[in-house]
Amino acid sequence: ILNVEQSPQSLHVQEGDSTNFTCSFPSSNFYALHWYRWETAKSPEALFVMTLNGDEKKKGRISATLNTKEGYSYLYIKGSQPEDSATYLCAFFNAGGTSYGKLTFGQGTILTVHP
Amino acid sequence: DGGITQSPKYLFRKEGQNVTLSCEQNLNHDAMYWYRQDPGQGLRLIYYSQIVNDFQKGDIAEGYSVSREKKESFPLTVTSAQKNPTAFYLCASSRRADYTFGSGTRLTVV
Repeated sequence: ILNVEQSPQSLHVQEGDSTNFTCSFPSSNFYALHWYRWETAKSPEALFVMTLNGDEKKKGRISATLNTKEGYSYLYIKGSQPEDSATYLCAFFNAGGTSYGKLTFGQGTILTVHP
Repeated sequence: DGGITQSPKYLFRKEGQNVTLSCEQNLNHDAMYWYRQDPGQGLRLIYYSQIVNDFQKGDIAEGYSVSREKKESFPLTVTSAQKNPTAFYLCASSRRADYTFGSGTRLTVV
């Protein structure tokens, strides 16, 4: 079983704060790293699919970076808003071995933004 | 609109009974997946299917069964052999690394 770790497990911030979370994953057999935003009672929403070492992607106030050599990705939220409150999941898409072609998820970071 | 439909949203089951969770997609995706989430844990893979009439065990398949008779449908049966069935179940489908998720079924054993 592949090990995908996210930290912190939960985070409470004030509206307007900027924040970031970490996802660590195996550095071998890398194909892609996915970030999802998941609100309660809804489907996980894809934020980014990152494939290249050094990738930086941005979507509004949310951005992500990728380091495949050392096996980590950061997700940044600038100027957090209450509507950013959700669980943020990362998932590793494996290029080989017994986990080939499947997503392995981290446990998620639960973000709560207080007004 | 294309997407994945999971039903029901909430399900209650008496201990010792089998129960089947539905997952239907109209995205023409070949691959489909079932995940389970428990509090404080990530999504764990139960079963997956990459083509009709074929499926593979994931990391936590014990106590579950699936079928893939049609491309659109991938039902999951939680059997009485599953020791801790109370959880949130999420279905997904994919084409290559592009995944789409359902909105989940919360199963409670009473």
